[in-house]
Amino acid sequence: DTEVTQTPKHLVMGMTNKKSLKCEQHMGHRAMYWYKQKAKKPPELMFVYSYEKLSINESVPSRFSPECPNSSLLNLHLHALQPEDSALYLCASSQDLRAGGPRVQFFGPGTRLTVL
Amino acid sequence: DQQVKQNSPSLSVQEGRISILNCDYTNSMFDYFLWYKKYPAEGPTFLISISSIKDKNEDGRFTVFLNKSAKHLSLHIVPSQPGDSAVYFCAAREYGNKLVFGAGTILRVKS
Repeated sequence: DTEVTQTPKHLVMGMTNKKSLKCEQHMGHRAMYWYKQKAKKPPELMFVYSYEKLSINESVPSRFSPECPNSSLLNLHLHALQPEDSALYLCASSQDLRAGGPRVQFFGPGTRLTVL
Repeated sequence: DQQVKQNSPSLSVQEGRISILNCDYTNSMFDYFLWYKKYPAEGPTFLISISSIKDKNEDGRFTVFLNKSAKHLSLHIVPSQPGDSAVYFCAAREYGNKLVFGAGTILRVKS
């Protein structure tokens, strides 16, 4: 199983709402990632988790709060977002960061977020 | 400052011919390079990778070439098929398995 699943597929929220994006993988990967992709732009890394601990935070605003409750799940909690946060949010997973080789990241289909 | 550049926004190729997608980078510390394909409304799908100590890697119709002195890599698809039409991203790996993506090239394969 090389699938990463993300829910919901689409999300529309107001600037005062609190919502969460969910990501799940069953490949036994111990590293998980959140990326943000704006229209006609490449994906940009937001967070990296390794063995359920936050490893990298790319200076992401605190209105985005990641959580890794176990090795298969990754959440992104959203609060007080701005319209410019509207984007495709991609989750990925890979072998743990100490493994050799390319440690290919496998991506989910993404959540299309619109902030009104 | 873009560390990974794909200077061709789009490429159009006839079915059966070769597609060549190019990528340039500036950071000598990148240790792996990966190519991903992306269809609309889907996440990127991994295609092929190459270590910075290699100059070629081949997988079926896909071959990636790395010229480290020129800081340039290319993806060759032979023969091209209409189903290959997608956006192709070059990505370079640095610390913590962080991937830095290029802007992408839209490939259109005409039948």
